[in-house]
Amino acid sequence: AQRVTQPEKLLSVFKGAPVELKCNYSYSGSPELFWYVQYSRQRLQLLLRHISRESIKGFTADLNKGETSFHLKKPFAQEEDSAMYYCALSGMFSGGYNKLIFGAGTRLAVHP
Amino acid sequence: KAGVTQTPRYLIKTRGQQVTLSCSPISGHRSVSWYQQTPGQGLQFLFEYFSETQRNKGNFPGRFSGRQFSNSRSEMNVSTLELGDSALYLCASSLGGASHEQYFGPGTRLTVT
Repeated sequence: AQRVTQPEKLLSVFKGAPVELKCNYSYSGSPELFWYVQYSRQRLQLLLRHISRESIKGFTADLNKGETSFHLKKPFAQEEDSAMYYCALSGMFSGGYNKLIFGAGTRLAVHP
Repeated sequence: KAGVTQTPRYLIKTRGQQVTLSCSPISGHRSVSWYQQTPGQGLQFLFEYFSETQRNKGNFPGRFSGRQFSNSRSEMNVSTLELGDSALYLCASSLGGASHEQYFGPGTRLTVT
């Protein structure tokens, strides 16, 4: 069965420190991977997806099919990055349609 | 353009009752997905509708059902409520494909007493 694992419930760093939020997935087919973010009192929103290969708000994520990982990275954390981050998986297991499998989420806390 | 809206935002029901939640997608979006979020289980997929047809269904009992109207608005219904149904119910809309971004609503907080 498809599964997404985010091993850390909480990641606590100081402003300016590098950040890496880990995500591993289990799926034998071609995955579609996403990072969603939820800031305090705001709705869940897409941060980035692997097919775009973009850098959003300084965050990047590279799909590593060999390690089945999609870790989210930022070289210098900012206080406004504090939020809940969810890794999510989609793909042809859903018939190519919208069915996201979410990880449990990692809370990122950036301290001044 | 207006975002995804959900009504009501908060709901308190008693065990055994039924409840209907509503979701209005972004204009032009034909896909609406529903998710249940709880502290214990996290975000779990309930079902997805596209052009009034259910395309995908998660592992939830038959007490959970949904439908979509011709204007893409969607409703989900939970019958014979149980205490464990207390959760935040999120809907998300998108253009339709697996690689498309899903836009989430603010959620409906359901409390079952």
